Amino acid sequence: DADVTQTPRNRITKTGKRIMLECSQTKGHDRMYWYRQDPGLGLRLIYYSFDVKDINKGEISDGYSVSRQAQAKFSLSLESAIPNQTALYFCATSGDQALNNEQFFGPGTRLTVL
Amino acid sequence: GDSVTQMEGPVTLSEEAFLTINCTYTATGYPSLFWYVQYPGEGLQLLLKATKADDKGSNKGFEATYRKETTSFHLEKGSVQVSDSAVYFCALSPRTGDKLIFGTGTRLQVFP
Repeated sequence: DADVTQTPRNRITKTGKRIMLECSQTKGHDRMYWYRQDPGLGLRLIYYSFDVKDINKGEISDGYSVSRQAQAKFSLSLESAIPNQTALYFCATSGDQALNNEQFFGPGTRLTVL
Repeated sequence: GDSVTQMEGPVTLSEEAFLTINCTYTATGYPSLFWYVQYPGEGLQLLLKATKADDKGSNKGFEATYRKETTSFHLEKGSVQVSDSAVYFCALSPRTGDKLIFGTGTRLQVFP
């Protein structure tokens, strides 16, 4: 069974629609992250959370919001999707910083905004 | 700010060829350095890491040495296989934080 799961795996939507991407993990990690991947740009951090009561903006948070419903769940929302949010989205988790910050990634959600 | 620069791809090799993918970084302090690999249709997974200068990370025949004097962490493999075809990301994590800063990725294509 996968340790980090993402739903949906693929989604096509229209400009202006609200979209939620969900991430669940069974690793027992406190820290969770959302990234987007675009060709030629690598991965860029959108939001991250170090525990249930902690939410932080990343490099490119504009147009996105997140919710940390529980230690195991971290959702990413696009309130009003636009075409330049078409990308591959990854959720990741990590444990104690003393373990040198290794992150564990989900399989990704491919989002297309028409 | 902190950043990672990788060579652009794609890198195209024949099976059993020698591989080098260059990675250099800019960071204050003493970051940890990582190589992640993304196989087609999958998420990223850690390939190897190094946490201090002169450390060598290794896994699955891949190696990279943390070179503080040249701020580099080049990935090498002596004999690549078709199954090594993937996108490789160099990344760093600052000592004082937990975020990963990624390079843009290098696609490797290995042909029989």
